[in-house]
Amino acid sequence: SQTIHQWPATLVQPVGSPLSLECTVEGTSNPNLYWYRQAAGRGLQLLFYSVGIGQISSEVPQNLSASRPQDRQFILSSKKLLLSDSGFYLCAWSVLGVNYGYTFGSGTRLTVV
Amino acid sequence: RKEVEQDPGPFNVPEGATVAFNCTYSNSASQSFFWYRQDCRKEPKLLMSVYSSGNEDGRFTAQLNRASQYISLLIRDSKLSDSATYLCVVIPFGGRALTFGSGTRLQVQP
Repeated sequence: SQTIHQWPATLVQPVGSPLSLECTVEGTSNPNLYWYRQAAGRGLQLLFYSVGIGQISSEVPQNLSASRPQDRQFILSSKKLLLSDSGFYLCAWSVLGVNYGYTFGSGTRLTVV
Repeated sequence: RKEVEQDPGPFNVPEGATVAFNCTYSNSASQSFFWYRQDCRKEPKLLMSVYSSGNEDGRFTAQLNRASQYISLLIRDSKLSDSATYLCVVIPFGGRALTFGSGTRLQVQP
């Protein structure tokens, strides 16, 4: 079966510290992968998406970056976190194409202090 | 103007009630539409796709009005377990990713 894994579930990091969130997908190949962020009480904001290894499209300029070193691995990073980076980070994937919707991982709740 | 707009609610309804949410979208060339459900502090989950002819899944009915650029979700015979935030989702024409509304919160009360 197809599954998506995200970790960690929660994270508290100081301002200025680095960040690395990992998302992996199992049971499928060549998925489209996405990173979204949901700030408290707000909607989901698309941060990055990837249609293949090494292919990253950035939707919002900010101090975050993404990488896709392997087909089923998507990593969200930051060199120096800001208070405004706090939020609920969600990884998602689609195989059949975006027109069929996609499935989210369980998310990482990040608090920058 | 936001690409996808929803009334944030909350909609407080008694068990057994029928409740409807609307969502408007700004891009007339949008091609695909969905409703997602998000429980508190959880990831969103696909509730149903929205087809041009309208579609029904048990107690849930979704409809699309392209002329007025809105989609709707009707929930009949509300259950306590229906309490959640309902996200309206649109794919712009040629888009590579889903665009989410901010959600409408539903609270079903005993």
